[in-house]
Amino acid sequence: DAKTTQPPSMDCAEGRAANLPCNHSTISGNEYVYWYRQIHSQGPQYIIHGLKNNETNEMASLIITEDRKSSTLILPHATLRDTAVYYCIVRGAGSYQLTFGKGTKLSVIP
Amino acid sequence: SAVISQKPSRDICQRGTSLTIQCQVDSQVTMMFWYRQQPGQSLTLIATANQGSEATYESGFVIDKFPISRPNLTFSTLTVSNMSPEDSSIYLCSARPGGQNIQYFGAGTRLSVL
Repeated sequence: DAKTTQPPSMDCAEGRAANLPCNHSTISGNEYVYWYRQIHSQGPQYIIHGLKNNETNEMASLIITEDRKSSTLILPHATLRDTAVYYCIVRGAGSYQLTFGKGTKLSVIP
Repeated sequence: SAVISQKPSRDICQRGTSLTIQCQVDSQVTMMFWYRQQPGQSLTLIATANQGSEATYESGFVIDKFPISRPNLTFSTLTVSNMSPEDSSIYLCSARPGGQNIQYFGAGTRLSVL
C-alpha cells in the first residue's frame, strides 16, 4: 500500500471549514484513499473514502486530485468536537489492512 | 455499519500475568482485526482473525504472546500473555463487515502493567 504524508498539526477556527491535506504520490490505480479520525481516548472513527471521484457524506467531503497523488478532507463547519487526530490511509482493493501513519492533529479553536 | 464492544475498557495488571480482551460485534463479520496503540503512537496491526482459521500475525507479534480466538462470526478475544510494563498500551478491535470496504473500531482497552 502507498505511503501517505500529512502535516503533523493544524488549527482551525470554530465554524470555519477545515481543509486537511494528504500527499500520496505513489498511489496506484486500484488503491483507495480512506480517512479516519481518533478523538482522544476513543477508537478510530471512519469518515469517508474514495477512489477517483470526489465524495461527500454527512460528515465531510473528500477531494482527490485528477492525478490522484493528493487529496483533501474538508470538514465544512468545524466544531470543537472535531478536535482529533485525522488519518489519511491508502489501501489496495485486494488488501484488508489499514496502515496508520502519524496523522494530523486538528485543533478547533473557539 | 457495525457496532463493536470491547471488554474491559481498562485494566491495571501486574507483570507476569495475562489479560484476555473480548470483542463483540453486533453483526456477523468475516474479518476481525486487533491493533495496538502504544502511548503517543499511532495504531499498529497485531493480527487478522478470520473465523474458522488460525489468526495471521504481523511481523513482530507472535501467537505465544498474543493468542487470539475467533469462535464465531461475531466474537473474538485477544490475550496479552506474561505481561511486562512494555505491554502498556491501548488494544483495539476492528471488524470489516462482508460486502463493505470499511473497517469499524471498538473504543479500545487501555492496559497498564505495573
